[in-house]
Amino acid sequence: SAVISQKPSRDICQRGTSLTIQCQVDSQVTMMFWYRQQPGQSLTLIATANQGSEATYESGFVIDKFPISRPNLTFSTLTVSNMSPEDSSIYLCSVRDTEYEQYFGPGTRLTVT
Amino acid sequence: DAKTTQPNSMESNEEEPVHLPCNHSTISGTDYIHWYRQLPSQGPEYVIHGLTSNVNNRMASLAIAEDRKSSTLILHRATLRDAAVYYCILQGAQKLVFGQGTRLTINP
Repeated sequence: SAVISQKPSRDICQRGTSLTIQCQVDSQVTMMFWYRQQPGQSLTLIATANQGSEATYESGFVIDKFPISRPNLTFSTLTVSNMSPEDSSIYLCSVRDTEYEQYFGPGTRLTVT
Repeated sequence: DAKTTQPNSMESNEEEPVHLPCNHSTISGTDYIHWYRQLPSQGPEYVIHGLTSNVNNRMASLAIAEDRKSSTLILHRATLRDAAVYYCILQGAQKLVFGQGTRLTINP
């Protein structure tokens, strides 16, 4: 299994600013994913973070708003740019180290005021 | 991505079995059926997955209909710790796409 940590665990930010969320995995993994969970909702996939190449974004998410870095097989960052209150969500990092099982981090709770 | 349909909520009593249904009538032949659950204030965790045959593990059992258009997650003896949102997901491509899930409440 993979153990995932995220920093920060929570933050309160002002609109118009940016926040970078870090995701650290305790083993090398090929596939990393970033999800968003808005209050009371299910998880929505933002993008797949590929090591050594550009992230692949899902419909409705763009690189300018959610730039992602994946410098190696154990680490990734997600930046939420030019934040608005609608960006208030929990952001979760996820990895797959086997063909079938996916692991999730504890999430970063973001509140934008 | 093929869609799944689950009841919004279910309720059960502690130490009783729980059967959580999922309909996936548009499933393709290569889609695996995955179940994840999300405990309060935590990220989702893997429960079980299967393709055609019924599956058992230490957490649960997965019963898959012969035509694969529906499946049922079975918790054999629910505890209060099993209170969570349970997601039934079809995985064909590499990514997991979550639906709304079933919120399971366990009464003491």
